[in-house]
This record gives sequence, structure tokens and C-alpha cells, in this order.
Amino acid sequence: LAKTTQPISMDSYEGQEVNITCSHNNIATNDYITWYQQFPSQGPRFIIQGYKTKVTNEVASLFIPADRKSSTLSLPRVSLSDTAVYYCLVGDGNTGFQKLVFGTGTRLLVSP
Amino acid sequence: DAGVTQSPTHLIKTRGQQVTLRCSPKSGHDTVSWYQQALGQGPQFIFQYYEEEERQRGNFPDRFSGHQFPNYSSELNVNALLLGDSALYLCASSLGAGPSYEQYFGPGTRLTVT
Repeated sequence: LAKTTQPISMDSYEGQEVNITCSHNNIATNDYITWYQQFPSQGPRFIIQGYKTKVTNEVASLFIPADRKSSTLSLPRVSLSDTAVYYCLVGDGNTGFQKLVFGTGTRLLVSP
Repeated sequence: DAGVTQSPTHLIKTRGQQVTLRCSPKSGHDTVSWYQQALGQGPQFIFQYYEEEERQRGNFPDRFSGHQFPNYSSELNVNALLLGDSALYLCASSLGAGPSYEQYFGPGTRLTVT
């Protein structure tokens, strides 16, 4: 399973763009890159998933370089409600059965 | 459309006891995974059920067992509880078991072992 490394914490202010980078040097050919958000005492919530290049949805963008050894989650114009833990995961695509491996995540604190 | 539901919300057990946690997947989902999340840590994968069979298992002892029913709901059983089993237990469901399928998580069951 590909291991991921991401910053332990980040601070930002309302209205700013936040970029969280995740390193996954030994990602396998079939692996997808997925980001989840978690608020205290709640289950994680899917944000975005990608395989290569750029993916954008209504809440975030995911940038994946050609070598796929890293990825960057971009949150545009964050608000106080974006304060949460963000997890970068690389899915094991070899077995056909998903086994999400969470790290310790990045704690994002958004201040007024 | 109800999302993933889990019961009970909170549970207090004594060391050595057994516990059963329940999960109902999101409507239309056929795959259920269970995770354990200790305070301040990321969720740790316990196992995944698809077509009523355990398909993948994480690094958890045999004291942790599960079951999936024909209606896709699932149970997590933990025997001989230890203090270290105190955690938030999360259930996630997906349509399909592959890595590209989005997992939907429930609110979790907070288990406290005293």
C-alpha cells in the first residue's frame, strides 16, 4: 500500500485559498488518490478523487502531476466551517477491493 | 434518502465483555467497511464486507469479527474487550468494492471500555 505524507497542521484566514500537498512516492499504477474531510466526532466526508491531471468539483480542486508522486488539494476561499482534518488517501487498486489507509491527516484551522 | 446509519451512538462496556455494533448502509450500496478511530488518530481499517463475505481485513485480532446480512446491513462484534478498544467505530458504505468507489461514512459509535 502506498504511504502518504502530509503536513500535520495548517493555518489560514477566511477568504484565502488553501493548498494542502500530499506526498505518495510509491503510488502504484492502479491507485486512485482520494481526499476526505472530517469534523470532530463525525465520520469522514468524501471531498474529491482523481487519478491524474486535474479534477475539479463544487468544493475543491485536485492537482496531480504527471509522475503522480504527490497531489495537492486546493480549497478556494475558505470559511470558518472549513476548519477540519483533511486526509489524503491512496487506494489499493491491485486487489479490486478498496482498503482505505488513513494517515494522521492535516488539521486546518481557519481564523476570522 | 437516509445516509449511513449506525447504532448505538454511544456505548459503555466493561473490560472482558462483548459488544455488537450495527450499521445500515446508504440506500443502494452493497459494500460495508468498518474502521476504528482512536482519539487524535486517523481511522484504521478493520475489514470490508461484500456479498456477505469478508473481502479485506486490516491488522486487527480475531476478537474483531463481523457479518453482513442479505439486506447489506452489517454488524461488528468485539469479544473480550480491552481498555485499548475504546474508540470511535465508523462504518462506511459504497456501491461496489473497488478503489474508485466513493465511501460514505456514518456518524460512528463511540465505545468506551472501563
